Amino acid sequence: GAGVSQSPSNKVTEKGKDVELRCDPISGHTALYWYRQSLGQGLEFLIYFQGNSAPDKSGLPSDRFSAERTGGSVSTLTIQRTQQEDSAVYLCASSLGLGRFNEQFFGPGTRLTVL
Amino acid sequence: AQSVTQLGSHVSVSEGALVLLRCNYSSSVPPYLFWYVQYPNQGLQLLLKYTSAATLVKGINGFEAEFKKSETSFHLTKPSAHMSDAAEYFCAVSDKRDDKIIFGKGTRLHILP
Repeated sequence: GAGVSQSPSNKVTEKGKDVELRCDPISGHTALYWYRQSLGQGLEFLIYFQGNSAPDKSGLPSDRFSAERTGGSVSTLTIQRTQQEDSAVYLCASSLGLGRFNEQFFGPGTRLTVL
Repeated sequence: AQSVTQLGSHVSVSEGALVLLRCNYSSSVPPYLFWYVQYPNQGLQLLLKYTSAATLVKGINGFEAEFKKSETSFHLTKPSAHMSDAAEYFCAVSDKRDDKIIFGKGTRLHILP
């Protein structure tokens, strides 16, 4: 159990509902990243954390998206009032520190389907 | 801003044939370049990375990539494809000014028996 874990693995929700996606990084990793993977669109950067702070929130697509990290460990990505275009796989990654020197280790993702 | 373009969303090769996945980057400063692989229902895994040392980079599972500044390319190759190489491959770039990695749209590699 040393890898990045994400829950739930699949989430089906109705349009307009709120959802919370969870990421448990590798123990000791201070940096944590969220990405969105849509069909044919590659990976879209959403937000990253160094410790509990998020210096760059520029990738969040709208104010319906928010993320927090507590205790320098677990992170939650919340999507309020979900829309059908939010359907995607949400990937979390962690690394020892920020920057390209540090390999990012990815979790298996949460597949979100908004009906 | 940096970006990557992967030519071909799907590539099919026969088992035992050469694998060539193309990636071109755009960066105003010397980039760091990466190839990641995503097997079905799994997260991404780093295959290899270029960090301004040797231009020919060797990675896991027999893959390698060559950084060519004149062509702004970082194509991924493997001499002989194996069925287990079937996956989606992502090229990514990061420049030295920020901590984000920008991913391409991915190329799905199909291996034909």
